[in-house]
Amino acid sequence: QKEVEQDPGPLSVPEGAIVSLNCTYSNSAFQYFMWYRQYSRKGPELLMYTYSSGNKEDGRFTAQVDKSSKYISLFIRDSQPSDSATYLCAMSAIRRGGSNYKLTFGKGTLLTVNP
Amino acid sequence: KAGVTQTPRYLIKTRGQQVTLSCSPISGHRSVSWYQQTPGQGLQFLFEYFSETQRNKGNFPGRFSGRQFSNSRSEMNVSTLELGDSALYLCASSTTGYEQYFGPGTRLTVT
Repeated sequence: QKEVEQDPGPLSVPEGAIVSLNCTYSNSAFQYFMWYRQYSRKGPELLMYTYSSGNKEDGRFTAQVDKSSKYISLFIRDSQPSDSATYLCAMSAIRRGGSNYKLTFGKGTLLTVNP
Repeated sequence: KAGVTQTPRYLIKTRGQQVTLSCSPISGHRSVSWYQQTPGQGLQFLFEYFSETQRNKGNFPGRFSGRQFSNSRSEMNVSTLELGDSALYLCASSTTGYEQYFGPGTRLTVT
């Protein structure tokens, strides 16, 4: 079983739709959860990160973490064509001594928002 | 602040050659991580450096190596290139470790 599973899609939605992107994971040591957006031929761009369980909102984006279910989500409200990209979830465990050192990524979900 | 920069952006090499890729982190960031991205495997962790010391290494063969300089700039080297090494190599810098900011990557093609 892979440490992080993410549905690769592709996911196609009309402009203005609410988008839900999800990842599951198996390593209970993961404490930090990140979402990255990657446009074609670019490096990943950090969208949001959360620590442990709970919700975090930033503009049109909301990240949710449910550690009991080992499940994280990213919601995009009022989706725009400019949101069309690959979305990657990433996770990190806290290393002994307090420093994190490695992100484990899902394979990414390709999202297309149609005008 | 300027973002993470990587050079070169594109590279074509032949099997058996070696290659060195360079990364300049965001000013003030002392942690630099390297990742390999391929369509089949996605993003995979190569190694991470902090204050010129390698803190952790992923599951890649010894042909993949790296180093970090006193100004936090980092290089990674791949020796004896194989066709399967064709990938986008990404560098990320951080102060916290988990909040990593990526550069645009170096696209390596091995023929």
